[in-house]
Amino acid sequence: QVQLQESGPRLVRSSETLSLTCTVSGGSISSYYWSWMRQPPGKGLEWIGFLYHNGKTNYSSALKSRVTISGDTSKNQFSLNVTSVTAADTAVYYCARHFAAEVHTWFDPWGQGTLVTVSS
Amino acid sequence: SDDLTQPPSVSVSPGQTASITCSGDKLRTKYACWYQQKAGQSPALVIFQSSRRPSGIPERFSGSISGKTATLTISGTQTMDEADYFCQAWDSTTPVFGGGTKLTVL
Repeated sequence: QVQLQESGPRLVRSSETLSLTCTVSGGSISSYYWSWMRQPPGKGLEWIGFLYHNGKTNYSSALKSRVTISGDTSKNQFSLNVTSVTAADTAVYYCARHFAAEVHTWFDPWGQGTLVTVSS
Repeated sequence: SDDLTQPPSVSVSPGQTASITCSGDKLRTKYACWYQQKAGQSPALVIFQSSRRPSGIPERFSGSISGKTATLTISGTQTMDEADYFCQAWDSTTPVFGGGTKLTVL
């Protein structure tokens, strides 16, 4: 079965770049879509963006100017970069496999998540 | 999220039926999915394509959609079902989430 694991720095300074990697096991990132989401402490879920196996990406309009998602098929990993972070970017960041149909999409499974704190 | 509206909280007694609603224009596609998030854990898919259950999800979980409202129903609710539940739909090119509902079983 597919499993995902997020990794990366837990503490990022304000104005710097947040970088996370998702390692996929039990399946290849050369299939399906792969997404990043985040959840500020005590709040709801926010979709950040996805990567398709052909390299196509799509990002949330709210974050589009600061986000890049890329993949490394040789390592079966995909990554997230968020530039110019502020305290508002403090959240648990999740990666997930993303199923997409014509008018519907869902995420399964999710990684365990990693809390990233932005410090001033 | 303002895109999909969920009640902040729902309470149910063990063994009873819990219903959690999710409403909004984004449901005009007639598809929604639901995630369960227990305390300290990552979300887990419990319903997709409005009414389908992934492998391993108990039959007491069911979903439906009518008009612009999707409903997650848990029949014979168990204490282990206490969690936050989030709905999610598709808005043209992006996924959108509801604000979440805290289900209390007491």
